[in-house]
Parts: sequence; structure tokens; C-alpha cells
Amino acid sequence: EPEVTQTPSHQVTQMGQEVILRCVPISNHLYFYWYRQILGQKVEFLVSFYNNEISEKSEIFDDQFSVERPDGSNFTLKIRSTKLEDSAMYFCASSTGLAGGSTGELFFGEGSRLTVL
Amino acid sequence: AQSVTQLGSHVSVSEGALVLLRCNYSSSVPPYLFWYVQYPNQGLQLLLKYTTGATLVKGINGFEAEFKKSETSFHLTKPSAHMSDAAEYFCAVSSTNAGKSTFGDGTTLTVKP
Repeated sequence: EPEVTQTPSHQVTQMGQEVILRCVPISNHLYFYWYRQILGQKVEFLVSFYNNEISEKSEIFDDQFSVERPDGSNFTLKIRSTKLEDSAMYFCASSTGLAGGSTGELFFGEGSRLTVL
Repeated sequence: AQSVTQLGSHVSVSEGALVLLRCNYSSSVPPYLFWYVQYPNQGLQLLLKYTTGATLVKGINGFEAEFKKSETSFHLTKPSAHMSDAAEYFCAVSSTNAGKSTFGDGTTLTVKP
């Protein structure tokens, strides 16, 4: 069964360092997302990406965040200068949208746990 | 705008008892509604979804949910809890074609032997 894969599963970094989280969405999906979940808290939307551009972003997704689909298969989230409060589980998700009778549900990866020291 | 409220951050039931996890939503357009389950240290797995049509939807692991437009609710139920059902459950709403899903705060389900 196709699945969304994320790497790394866990990354520890020093405050101020740049981090890149990688995702390989399901191959025929057209919509891509990043969510984050701070430990013990709700799942928060960060950004959605369609047709090689950001379609929507939340207030959390400020200038230190960026997303890219560099090669047609990977979908990356870059945090330019990490802060302590960026420590969270980051989930990538993808969707086909509603084309072809699909119902638009999100398929999530296993997550990348980011720890900022 | 869309939002989700999950009533009860923690629910505890005995094995074999009915599971009821509550979800109310707000959406300016007809919603798409989802329940996801998250086991410890794992990602989110879709349990079931409502888009259009039949308001009672069945999902995996014996769970089902009923969409009640008049009550703006989408409560999740399972007739008989199993120990393996212990997990975090998230209700989510999406209002647009593959637009973002907005999640509730989650409900932790504990199943006692």
C-alpha cells in the first residue's frame, strides 16, 4: 500500500541551526501539507502546497519556514533558524484532492520529531 | 472558517463497554469530516470519513460515526472497547477541495481491563 515517508524520524539540533525535514508523498497525490504537533497538544496546520506553490499557510508559518518540492518527488520543510519552541513532531501529509472520485482525506507520514536544544 | 471541538480530553472505559467520543464542528460550507487515530509515537491513521451521502459511516476496527447536520456533530462510537483501542483520537474538518484539515484538540481513550 502506498504511503507517505518522512526522514529523519528524529533530529536533535542546536538553537539557531537550520533544519530540513524531508517527505516523499504518495506518487499520484497533488496536494501536500505540513502539520506540527507540540508534545501533548493538538495537531496544527502549517502550510499547504499545490501546483508548485503555497496555497495556504498559517500564522505559525512565518519567514523562518519554507517549503520546496525540489525534484518532483520530495517535499521539504526548512526551518531557517530553529528556536526552542520549534521542538515538535512534524507531520507531512498528501492528498489527491477530489479528482477522480476521491474524497480528499489526508494521508500522513509517521512524523519527524524535532528537538531543539 | 472552520473549527472543531472535541468534548472531553480524556475518556476512560472498561473493556467491552461502549466507546463514545464527541466531536462538534463549525463550517461555513458543507463539511468533510474525519476521525484519525494516533497510537503512541506513531503518525495519524484515518479511521473513517464523511463526505456526502449516508450519514452513518463505518470505519476500521469496528468504529463508526454519524454526521448530524442539525447538531453539527460527528461523534465516534464503538459498541465494545478493546484494549488495543487505547490511543489518541482526533476529529478533523475540511471545507474545501483538498483544503487544509482543521483538527480538534484530541481525546485520549483509556481502556481498563
